[in-house]
Amino acid sequence: EADIYQTPRYLVIGTGKKITLECSQTMGHDKMYWYQQDPGMELHLIHYSYGVNSTEKGDLSSESTVSRIRTEHFPLTLESARPSHTSQYLCASSEQGRNTIYFGEGSWLTVV
Amino acid sequence: GQQVMQIPQYQHVQEGEDFTTYCNSSTTLSNIQWYKQRPGGHPVFLIQLVKSGEVKKQKRLTFQFGEAKKNSSLHITATQTTDVGTYFCAGRRGATNKLIFGTGTLLAVQP
Repeated sequence: EADIYQTPRYLVIGTGKKITLECSQTMGHDKMYWYQQDPGMELHLIHYSYGVNSTEKGDLSSESTVSRIRTEHFPLTLESARPSHTSQYLCASSEQGRNTIYFGEGSWLTVV
Repeated sequence: GQQVMQIPQYQHVQEGEDFTTYCNSSTTLSNIQWYKQRPGGHPVFLIQLVKSGEVKKQKRLTFQFGEAKKNSSLHITATQTTDVGTYFCAGRRGATNKLIFGTGTLLAVQP
């Protein structure tokens, strides 16, 4: 198992609130990713980063933003949460030159 | 739209029966990976296939990469209840480092 951690694991918040999902990995991986997955559905890449100060949008448009100030940390922020943002958010990382992606345990977000 | 499709979406088997999920891409893949996600859990890497026609085995699991590198399959022999979960294939196209996940196949195993 990989050392990649996400907090909070579960969160219920009201519409309009700002939230940040934290993701940290202790493996020194350069590449980090955020995937969004609705229950029973496929994973959609919403953000990725190939290193510090590098962030890119993924294949699925998302209103969230990310930052990569430190190698080990890749937080995702929603400035104003809406019920449509209710989903599971999975953070992942991989080593430069290697293809295997290691996932965190996920953050389940419910916006009411 | 979705470029990596898996069939079936859902399969219910009796314990001891075999199971196969198929993964099809609209474009050639440089490699393909398989992940397993237990209910309520996160995807866990199983294996990667790189070569055309490659076949790899992990105990009761057999993975195959098609000759054209556009499709792949995962076969489980004599399923067990511990095999329950969703199996995702994921492929990379050309030089891109982005992994495109398939639609997944949910396997239910009845004891």
